[in-house]
Amino acid sequence: NAGVTQTPKFQVLKTGQSMTLQCAQDMNHNSMYWYRQDPGMGLRLIYYSASEGTTDKGEVPNGYNVSRLNKREFSLRLESAAPSQTSVYFCASSEQVLNTEAFFGQGTRLTVV
Amino acid sequence: QQQVKQSPQSLIVQKGGISIINCAYENTAFDYFPWYQQFPGKGPALLIAIRPDVSEKKEGRFTISFNKSAKQFSLHIMDSQPGDSATYFCAARAAGNKLTFGGGTRVLVKP
Repeated sequence: NAGVTQTPKFQVLKTGQSMTLQCAQDMNHNSMYWYRQDPGMGLRLIYYSASEGTTDKGEVPNGYNVSRLNKREFSLRLESAAPSQTSVYFCASSEQVLNTEAFFGQGTRLTVV
Repeated sequence: QQQVKQSPQSLIVQKGGISIINCAYENTAFDYFPWYQQFPGKGPALLIAIRPDVSEKKEGRFTISFNKSAKQFSLHIMDSQPGDSATYFCAARAAGNKLTFGGGTRVLVKP
């Protein structure tokens, strides 16, 4: 029972480089989310997808793009990485946006130098 | 501007003691208040949650106290154990909206 799987677990990028963070869930959930976690800031929502085919901005969307590839997969892309995007990124899923419990992946630690 | 303010940022407690984490909010539309527990290198996981129509909810050694008039809620960890050492996040949700998280509290339980 894998739950929510994120890849990669660690990544170092140079300023200006691009990369895509991958996320897949096997719980047949409709909604998926991308959060970033920074010390003292809690978890801040970047983008979410209420259902397959839809995506919406969260609190801190600038510098990111997302793709809901299918019901299972939701990717996060950094087109031109900046040091301010150094963070730990978490993907999560839930049955639907109004549902109570969100299930999180193990995170991707990204460093931009 | 954080809609959910959490304190303290860190907490050290002796084994067997009580850990208390507090959260305050402004948005009266929030209708669901979960607490998440996160161990190092792992993603957060739901620990316990409460709705504003009750003032207290207990699950094992974990208790949420909710004060609707003060717009505050807290997590109490009774008989704290070294295995409880983790970061705890409070959160709040308004119907139709996403979860808003507090800044987190790192709890260390000393044996």
